[in-house]
Amino acid sequence: AQKITQTQPGMFVQEKEAVTLDCTYDTSDPSYGLFWYKQPSSGEMIFLIYQGSYDQQNATEGRYSLNFQKARKSANLVISASQLGDSAMYFCAMREGNTGGFKTIFGAGTRLFVKA
Amino acid sequence: DGGITQSPKYLFRKEGQNVTLSCEQNLNHDAMYWYRQDPGQGLRLIYYSQIVNDFQKGDIAEGYSVSREKKESFPLTVTSAQKNPTAFYLCASSARREYTEAFFGQGTRLTVV
Repeated sequence: AQKITQTQPGMFVQEKEAVTLDCTYDTSDPSYGLFWYKQPSSGEMIFLIYQGSYDQQNATEGRYSLNFQKARKSANLVISASQLGDSAMYFCAMREGNTGGFKTIFGAGTRLFVKA
Repeated sequence: DGGITQSPKYLFRKEGQNVTLSCEQNLNHDAMYWYRQDPGQGLRLIYYSQIVNDFQKGDIAEGYSVSREKKESFPLTVTSAQKNPTAFYLCASSARREYTEAFFGQGTRLTVV
């Protein structure tokens, strides 16, 4: 069954340091996409980064990178040079391909606190 | 501008009443989704639809109903059978492929008193 697990309810990081948010997933579909979203206190969902199951290289978008380890079924988000504005909830999500009906599910989230 | 519009932003209803949350998108997306979020929690999938006139139950469909009569619209009805309807509801849409991100509306905060 499709499943996303985020084991860190909360994380603290010092401003300007890097932080890794963990995400593991489970699926039997060979084709799937992995996504990370940021949710500030306003409630909006902001798309950060995407990784496809067949991608050979880890995705990067500015200060965000995705550490994709397919054999371990993990897709950790790395935020470099943390900023105070990075304080928010972060969600890992997965969408299966046609076999899974393109269903998209989310993990429980990690709340990140950036300290000045 | 293309996007997803949820209305209203805040909704108050009396216990026992059905209420319908609106979700409209002009992104020409085939797939649409409804999620429920409780305070400090993740997003739980209520219903999703991949094409017009078809939809599937998510993980917490009990007490909810949907329709997908038009590609642009995916309204969610919270029925009186839903035991704890007070929550933040998010609508999303995406292309019907596994490698494109979902776009979200601004959410509707439903409070049942």
